[in-house]
Amino acid sequence: QKEVEQDPGPLSVPEGAIVSLNCTYSNSAFQYFMWYRQYSRKGPELLMYTYSSGNKEDGRFTAQVDKSSKYISLFIRDSQPSDSATYLCAMRENGQNFVFGPGTRLSVLP
Amino acid sequence: SQTIHQWPATLVQPVGSPLSLECTVEGTSNPNLYWYRQAAGRGLQLLFYSVGIGQISSEVPQNLSASRPQDRQFILSSKKLLLSDSGFYLCAQAKAGYEQYFGPGTRLTVT
Repeated sequence: QKEVEQDPGPLSVPEGAIVSLNCTYSNSAFQYFMWYRQYSRKGPELLMYTYSSGNKEDGRFTAQVDKSSKYISLFIRDSQPSDSATYLCAMRENGQNFVFGPGTRLSVLP
Repeated sequence: SQTIHQWPATLVQPVGSPLSLECTVEGTSNPNLYWYRQAAGRGLQLLFYSVGIGQISSEVPQNLSASRPQDRQFILSSKKLLLSDSGFYLCAQAKAGYEQYFGPGTRLTVT
């Protein structure tokens, strides 16, 4: 079992849809959770970060962490064509390096 | 705010040739620095990380090496490239070890 798993996609949705992107993990020591957006041929851009369990909202984006289920989600409301990208989850335990999921490719169709 | 520069942006090199990729960071001091490789359609593979000048940790044994000659400079090198070294190389920094920020990347094609 991989340490971090992520739905590979690709995922296609119409403009305005709510998108749910998910990651599961096996290491219960992970405490810091991040979501990155990566446009084609560009470096990943940090979107959201959360510590431990709970929700965090930033504009159209909401990050959710459920440590009891070892499950994190990123919700995108009112999705736009500009949201079309690959989304990477990442996590780490205290003092250790980051572990990344393989990414989910999202296409938002106008 | 911090900025990460990488060059070159793209590179095509023949098998067996040497490699030098450079990463510099602005707007922060004493950051943790990282080199990742991303193969097409795959996740990020951590290659090296550094917590300070001259301090390099290798995550994956291979024909690549890294050096940190200055606080905000991180270099990835190889003496002889292999076909399997092709990929998208990303430099990243994490000041507090919590939020990690990436540079624009170098796309390497080994022919």
